[in-house]
Amino acid sequence: DAKTTQPPSMDCAEGRAANLPCNHSTISGNEYVYWYRQIHSQGPQYIIHGLKNNETNEMASLIITEDRKSSTLILPHATLRDTAVYYCIVRVAYTGFQKLVFGTGTRLLVSP
Amino acid sequence: ETGVTQSPTHLIKTRGQQVTLRCSSQSGHNTVSWYQQALGQGPQFIFQYYREEENGRGNFPPRFSGLQFPNYSSELNVNALELDDSALYLCASSSHGTLPGGNYGYTFGSGTRLTVV
Repeated sequence: DAKTTQPPSMDCAEGRAANLPCNHSTISGNEYVYWYRQIHSQGPQYIIHGLKNNETNEMASLIITEDRKSSTLILPHATLRDTAVYYCIVRVAYTGFQKLVFGTGTRLLVSP
Repeated sequence: ETGVTQSPTHLIKTRGQQVTLRCSSQSGHNTVSWYQQALGQGPQFIFQYYREEENGRGNFPPRFSGLQFPNYSSELNVNALELDDSALYLCASSSHGTLPGGNYGYTFGSGTRLTVV
């Protein structure tokens, strides 16, 4: 399975942009990159996903390199409520089903 | 639109016992996946159910089994519990089939915290 590598922790000042990197050098051509976050061992919350092109929604932006071996999640104006563990995930497809392959995540701490 | 509901939220069992965890999928979703999340780690895929059958499985032994019902809800059963089965068990629902842009939206429940003593 494709594997993701993330820094274990990052800090960000409130109001600044948080840029969370992820390496997925073994990703295959049809495998999507997803980002979820998890707060206090609740269920993971969807943030954004993409295949090749950069994506933006109301929560974040996803920048995927041209060779697709890495990506960056950008939270444009971090707030205290963005403190969470952020998972970079590859969706792996098999015959008849797909599964999400999680990495170990980045613990983002947003401080005042 | 209702989200994914899991029950119970917490559970304590003794080694060797059996446990059943339940999950109600999000409205409009027909596929349920189960994940195990050990403390400090990312979730690991257990299996997926679609049309009331298991159609994909991760690296988990046969004592982990499941069911899906006609209303798309699901159960996870674990027999002969071991101490290492202590974890947060997450259910994720999704819609099987190709959606525009290949979007498979996964909605997770809040999980069941299982402690085996």
